[in-house]
Amino acid sequence: ILNVEQSPQSLHVQEGDSTNFTCSFPSSNFYALHWYRWETAKSPEALFVMTLNGDEKKKGRISATLNTKEGYSYLYIKGSQPEDSATYLCALTIYNQGGKLIFGQGTELSVKP
Amino acid sequence: DTAVSQTPKYLVTQMGNDKSIKCEQNLGHDTMYWYKQDSKKFLKIMFSYNNKELIINETVPNRFSPKSPDKAHLNLHINSLELGDSAVYFCASSQESRGTGEQYFGPGTRLTVT
Repeated sequence: ILNVEQSPQSLHVQEGDSTNFTCSFPSSNFYALHWYRWETAKSPEALFVMTLNGDEKKKGRISATLNTKEGYSYLYIKGSQPEDSATYLCALTIYNQGGKLIFGQGTELSVKP
Repeated sequence: DTAVSQTPKYLVTQMGNDKSIKCEQNLGHDTMYWYKQDSKKFLKIMFSYNNKELIINETVPNRFSPKSPDKAHLNLHINSLELGDSAVYFCASSQESRGTGEQYFGPGTRLTVT
């Protein structure tokens, strides 16, 4: 059974703080690592997909890095805003598994004004 | 225009009934999925279809039967509903089935079995 672990489970920060979360995954059979943003009462929305060791992706104030050799990815949010409040999910795809996403349990971020 | 749509959004039914959830995507994607959000809010894959063909069946009870009449639609039929089937079911689609592309999720269907 493949486990994707995320930490912390929840995080409360003040507006303007920068923050980061961790996603850990087994590095064998790695194919891609996905990050999704999931707001309450909405559906998960893709942020990044990374496939290569050392990949770094950025979208506005949000960025992510990938280390496939040690099996982890970091998601960074610079200058958090209340609208960043959401659950951030990472998900693993492995080779020849039909594209299925193996999700972590998510990190719930709350940003207070 | 909604990219991935599901109907109904809410479904309340009694044990033993048979029900269907419909999913449609207008993105021109080849691959569609069904995920189940369990009581701990984990999203778990149930099925994956590529060009109307089943490619993943993740040890789901055979009371669940997906059907893909064309590559834009993936419906989920559930026979003999049980209390434990209560969950939120999400449909998703992606351009390809290798797993390197983003998946686009529908709004979810909240199924409550009483």
